[in-house]
Amino acid sequence: GQQLNQSPQSMFIQEGEDVSMNCTSSSIFNTWLWYKQEPGEGPVLLIALYKAGELTSNGRLTAQFGITRKDSFLNISASIPSDVGIYFCAGSPTQGGSEKLVFGKGTKLTVNP
Amino acid sequence: NAGVTQTPKFQVLKTGQSMTLQCAQDMNHEYMSWYRQDPGMGLRLIHYSVGAGITDQGEVPNGYNVSRSTTEDFPLRLLSAAPSQTSVYFCASSKGTAISYEQYFGPGTRLTVT
Repeated sequence: GQQLNQSPQSMFIQEGEDVSMNCTSSSIFNTWLWYKQEPGEGPVLLIALYKAGELTSNGRLTAQFGITRKDSFLNISASIPSDVGIYFCAGSPTQGGSEKLVFGKGTKLTVNP
Repeated sequence: NAGVTQTPKFQVLKTGQSMTLQCAQDMNHEYMSWYRQDPGMGLRLIHYSVGAGITDQGEVPNGYNVSRSTTEDFPLRLLSAAPSQTSVYFCASSKGTAISYEQYFGPGTRLTVT
């Protein structure tokens, strides 16, 4: 099946630093979503992207839908301790039914105060 | 609105036992789905439903059954639990329209099969 490659797997940063993570696929996706999951909780939607080239911000978070439709990026500026968690990308593929979101394996973010 | 609710929050089963994980949403969402989350594996789709009376298989459907008799509820049944089904299970829902696949997740059910 379709897979999303998410990198890096984990990040250890200092408070105040900027963070970048990305998600790539070998096939085209119609929609890209970014979720954050905190320990013991379900994923929470951060940003949704629907058009190639789209750049969308949510506070200190910015995400982009790649022009090729095969990748997406999430940036976090001026990180704070509450940014800790696992960040997942998810995509809606063009084939196989648009109802089936495919998830990456996540980027685990640790922020040292 | 309560959003997406799941019960129970924790469950321990013995191999071969059956149980039903409950999921309900009060957002009038047409689309509902079940995922399992295992360490290092991300979220994998088990079953999904695009509306009452309609269900379909996801990536890892074996060992699980679902039904969708109402818009609000989407229970997941394990007929004969196996240790390989030890996982965290998440239910999610969305409007399901062509432009919106923004899925909202429940808090999860942590299942251990011994």
